[in-house]
Amino acid sequence: QSALTQPASVSGSPGQSITISCTGTSSDVGSYNFVSWYQHLPGRAPKLIIYNVNERPSGVSNRFSGSKSGNTASLTISGLQADDEADYFCCSFVRSNPFWIFGGGTKLTVL
Amino acid sequence: EVQLVESGGGLVQPGGSLRLSCAGSGFTFSNSHMDWVRQAPGKGLEWIGRSRNKHEGHATEHAASLADRFTISRDDSKNSLYLQMNSLATEDTAVYYCARDNHGNFSWDYWGQGTLVTVSS
Repeated sequence: QSALTQPASVSGSPGQSITISCTGTSSDVGSYNFVSWYQHLPGRAPKLIIYNVNERPSGVSNRFSGSKSGNTASLTISGLQADDEADYFCCSFVRSNPFWIFGGGTKLTVL
Repeated sequence: EVQLVESGGGLVQPGGSLRLSCAGSGFTFSNSHMDWVRQAPGKGLEWIGRSRNKHEGHATEHAASLADRFTISRDDSKNSLYLQMNSLATEDTAVYYCARDNHGNFSWDYWGQGTLVTVSS
């Protein structure tokens, strides 16, 4: 299984919205609504922000939203804040081993 | 508060072995599926494997590419998850994370901060 494709970096100004894409294939993202997104600060534990394509865990801001179209999932962050600056990575379930594949991660810079 | 704390990382020579531990607290460890995931420097994450909860007999699944060298186990009496790594190679250099399954929702709701394993002579 190949890794999912994410842009290496995105940026935006405070208050703006940004979208991070996560492109897979018909065997992973396109086949299952089991895409999750994580926020990761270096040296910290990754934090789940979206699961099942568009569900938010309790306590996660509604500024974070997820969607999917075909083989591409997307994470949108609205009303950008300085503390949104982090790495974001996506993950999709796949039916065959290794069962989960990840994107390479996207570094979000808040200008 | 749910906490996962990995330990056991360090410097090991190629061909060597290492055992990582992950201590869980703040939740019923025995009811949770637990996974290991790693991230090599400058690369994306890689799923290593899973230990299922007591209700599923602690069954394990391992990434096929690592199954001949890596073994996952757990001790629910100690709220701990383990990763035994053998025949280590330089490409196994990575930060190793343990993570808790998100109640069957094909994701992980809590992760540890990771432990760094460096394989080098």
